[in-house]
Amino acid sequence: TQLLEQSPQFLSIQEGENLTVYCNSSSVFSSLQWYRQEPGEGPVLLVTVVTGGEVKKLKRLTFQFGDARKDSSLHITAAQPGDTGLYLCAGAPLVTTTSGSRLTFGEGTQLTVNP
Amino acid sequence: DSGVTQTPKHLITATGQRVTLRCSPRSGDLSVYWYQQSLDQGLQFLIQYYNGEERAKGNILERFSAQQFPDLHSELNLSSLELGDSALYFCASSVGVPGLSQDTEAFFGQGTRLTVV
Repeated sequence: TQLLEQSPQFLSIQEGENLTVYCNSSSVFSSLQWYRQEPGEGPVLLVTVVTGGEVKKLKRLTFQFGDARKDSSLHITAAQPGDTGLYLCAGAPLVTTTSGSRLTFGEGTQLTVNP
Repeated sequence: DSGVTQTPKHLITATGQRVTLRCSPRSGDLSVYWYQQSLDQGLQFLIQYYNGEERAKGNILERFSAQQFPDLHSELNLSSLELGDSALYFCASSVGVPGLSQDTEAFFGQGTRLTVV
């Protein structure tokens, strides 16, 4: 079973601070996706990283896929209250694996940005 | 708007009852996933269908069942409901199947909030 561990589980910061959320596994993934979920809503896809070492930027959010494609990080610069939400990472298994055909989701990081 | 439609949005029912949750995937998506999310918890994977066939199963209770129809919409049936089944139930869809395709980005519906009283 492929597992994704996210850290920290909870993060409460002040507006303007920077933060990094981590997503780690002992398994290799073909791609890794980051989602953001607001209370009472479904998760919304933010980005997909595919290549080991890949870095993608989405405004103040920077996503990185580890060289070995086992881990990823999300860095937010100058966080704003609108960034508040549950951040989830999800890994897709390698094309050649037979261990399953579903996305593996981490438990999430609950981020609160205080004004 | 993700393009995934779930109905109903809210459902209140009594213990012991049976309910059916419905999901219409995005146009062109063949894969449908069902997730349960209890208060302050992450997404618990229940089951996945691809083009009408079951592809993967998570910790889905025997009281729960699902199916995907020829038009690709899916239904999740929950029976003999218990208070602990109260949760948000999400459906998601993707073009392909993880492990077989690179098109695995999942698009989620807005969920069905089930309250068992």
